[in-house]
Amino acid sequence: AQTVTQSQPEMSVQEAETVTLSCTYDTSESDYYLFWYKQPPSRQMILVIRQEAYKQQNATENRFSVNFQKAAKSFSLKISDSQLGDAAMYFCAYRSGERDDKIIFGKGTRLHILP
Amino acid sequence: GAGVSQSPRYKVAKRGQDVALRCDPISGHVSLFWYQQALGQGPEFLTYFQNEAQLDKSGLPSDRFFAERPEGSVSTLKIQRTQQEDSAVYLCASSSRVDDQPQHFGDGTRLSIL
Repeated sequence: AQTVTQSQPEMSVQEAETVTLSCTYDTSESDYYLFWYKQPPSRQMILVIRQEAYKQQNATENRFSVNFQKAAKSFSLKISDSQLGDAAMYFCAYRSGERDDKIIFGKGTRLHILP
Repeated sequence: GAGVSQSPRYKVAKRGQDVALRCDPISGHVSLFWYQQALGQGPEFLTYFQNEAQLDKSGLPSDRFFAERPEGSVSTLKIQRTQQEDSAVYLCASSSRVDDQPQHFGDGTRLSIL
C-alpha cells in the first residue's frame, strides 16, 4: 500500500523569507502523481502544484517549486517570498497513475507566516 | 456550477441520529469521491463513483456509512446511528476523468456528533 509521510506538524517562516516543507512517500508503482494541496481555514482543498513521476524536471508554479527525488521517494515544497496569505495547512498527496484513482494524503504541515 | 458544492456546511447531530450530506459536483464531471478528514489529520478516502456506479467503497469505515449517486450527478453520503467518532469534515471531490485532470474539492461539511 502507498503511504505519504509529513514529519513536520508545524513550521513558521518570516514574511518574505523562503521555507521548505518535507514529504516522503512509499510506493512500488512506477507511474504516479504527487501533489501539494493547501487548506486554509475555509476548508477548501486548493491544488498548489503537481508532479508527474515520469518527468525529471521539478514542477514550478510562481513562488512554489518542488524538489522531486524519485529514487529517495522525497517530494519537498519550497515557498519563496512567503506571504501572509500562504498561512494554511499543507498536505502532500499521492495518486496512482491509473485514471481516476483515489488520492492518499499525508497528515499535513501547518505553516505560520510571521509578519 | 462553478465549483463543487456541499451542503450543509455544518451539521450537528445527537449520537444515534441518522445524517445525510449532499455533494453537487461540477457539471459534467463523471467521477466523484468522498473523503473523511478527522481533526488535525489529512483526508482519507471513503468511496468513489463513476457516473452512478459505485466502483470503490473500500474506505467506508462501517456498514453505517452508505453513499449513492442515483442519476450520476448529485451524491449523498448517509451515516446511520451516528457515533462520536464520526465527527469530522466530509469532503467531496469531482473530476472529469480525463488524463491529468485534477480532482476539484468542495468546502466540506463539518459534522459534529454530540
